[in-house]
Amino acid sequence: AQSVTQLGSHVSVSEGALVLLRCNYSSSVPPYLFWYVQYPNQGLQLLLKYTSAATLVKGINGFEAEFKKSETSFHLTKPSAHMSDAAEYFCAVSVSNAGGTSYGKLTFGQGTILTVHP
Amino acid sequence: ETGVTQSPTHLIKTRGQQVTLRCSSQSGHNTVSWYQQALGQGPQFIFQYYREEENGRGNFPPRFSGLQFPNYSSELNVNALELDDSALYLCASSKTYQETQYFGPGTRLLVL
Repeated sequence: AQSVTQLGSHVSVSEGALVLLRCNYSSSVPPYLFWYVQYPNQGLQLLLKYTSAATLVKGINGFEAEFKKSETSFHLTKPSAHMSDAAEYFCAVSVSNAGGTSYGKLTFGQGTILTVHP
Repeated sequence: ETGVTQSPTHLIKTRGQQVTLRCSSQSGHNTVSWYQQALGQGPQFIFQYYREEENGRGNFPPRFSGLQFPNYSSELNVNALELDDSALYLCASSKTYQETQYFGPGTRLLVL
């Protein structure tokens, strides 16, 4: 079975500083990996996804993530934080079958709340 | 293009009652997945419907049931509500079960 661990339930950065949110996954087959963002009292918005193409994935709002198989990691970064980035971020994994297509079920991490200080 | 919509936005029920939550999928999507997000937790997969058939189920009891209609909208039904069922219920739709899931705003259920 697949699982996701997000290191750090809360991360606090200053505006303009680097954002680094950590995600490690466990999967016995090649994974599909996702980052979603959730603003207060809203649903989840897709930031970016890894589906076995390029290991460095660029998403919306200046975020990117790098898939590192040797480290089983998919950390999310942004060079310069904005106040509007304050939200909760979820890493998720969906395993693929032998044909390389996703089974569809998403397994989420516990989430990381990002706070941005002026 | 209309995104995923859910109704109602908020709901208050008492223990033992039954509830039905609704989800309209994005245009062109034939798959709907339901998730439960308890306070302070990540979403947990309940089940998925693909072309009106259940296509996978998470670790939830049978009192959680669902339905998908020919227009690919979906319902989540929960019988015999328990206090622990209080959560945000998220619906996601995708072009097929293999494609990226796009989430609706959720229905917040409070069981008293």
